[in-house]
Amino acid sequence: KAGVTQTPRYLIKTRGQQVTLSCSPISGHRSVSWYQQTPGQGLQFLFEYFSETQRNKGNFPGRFSGRQFSNSRSEMNVSTLELGDSALYLCASSWRGNQPQHFGDGTRLSIL
Amino acid sequence: QQQVKQSPQSLIVQKGGISIINCAYENTAFDYFPWYQQFPGKGPALLIAIRPDVSEKKEGRFTISFNKSAKQFSLHIMDSQPGDSATYFCAASVDNAGNMLTFGGGTRLMVKP
Repeated sequence: KAGVTQTPRYLIKTRGQQVTLSCSPISGHRSVSWYQQTPGQGLQFLFEYFSETQRNKGNFPGRFSGRQFSNSRSEMNVSTLELGDSALYLCASSWRGNQPQHFGDGTRLSIL
Repeated sequence: QQQVKQSPQSLIVQKGGISIINCAYENTAFDYFPWYQQFPGKGPALLIAIRPDVSEKKEGRFTISFNKSAKQFSLHIMDSQPGDSATYFCAASVDNAGNMLTFGGGTRLMVKP
């Protein structure tokens, strides 16, 4: 069974641009969560989607948004990129609104 | 507000020794406590998890001890091996509130041969 797939693995952008990251969950999983990982702040929850609806949202500005499609694949978008947005963005999926969550290997976003 | 505090930040253990990582939480609504292992360049991988209805759970060389009254839980790695060298994260969530994990700050474990 394939794991959680995140694309692209690496991305370089400049300040002010916007970016879209993609996540394909494990087959059959309907819940997708996104996390930001930085050396300073650690792992922080961004948002969770379940059956195409945002169910939970972390404490991030509105520049961070996401969506989920009918096949459970999810995308997150960050607009007006700032230097502080440089991070590893991780996606996790689970079967339903319950644990356990399985993580992908992330997208490394660097802002110049 | 850091709701899950993890210690130590780094740990060096000799091969065959016991590695112990501790976490403390504040939110009494938390009722699911997983531990994740992360290698460089990889995403976190679920190791073991516990719910508050048990005080201990063991899977192979990994054991979680849970103290509900103290709001603390810990990971013990028995017979630590160099291949266990990684960063370990504790986490917590409210089970019926969806998948929203609150993570500890992480512990970088090095097991010396």
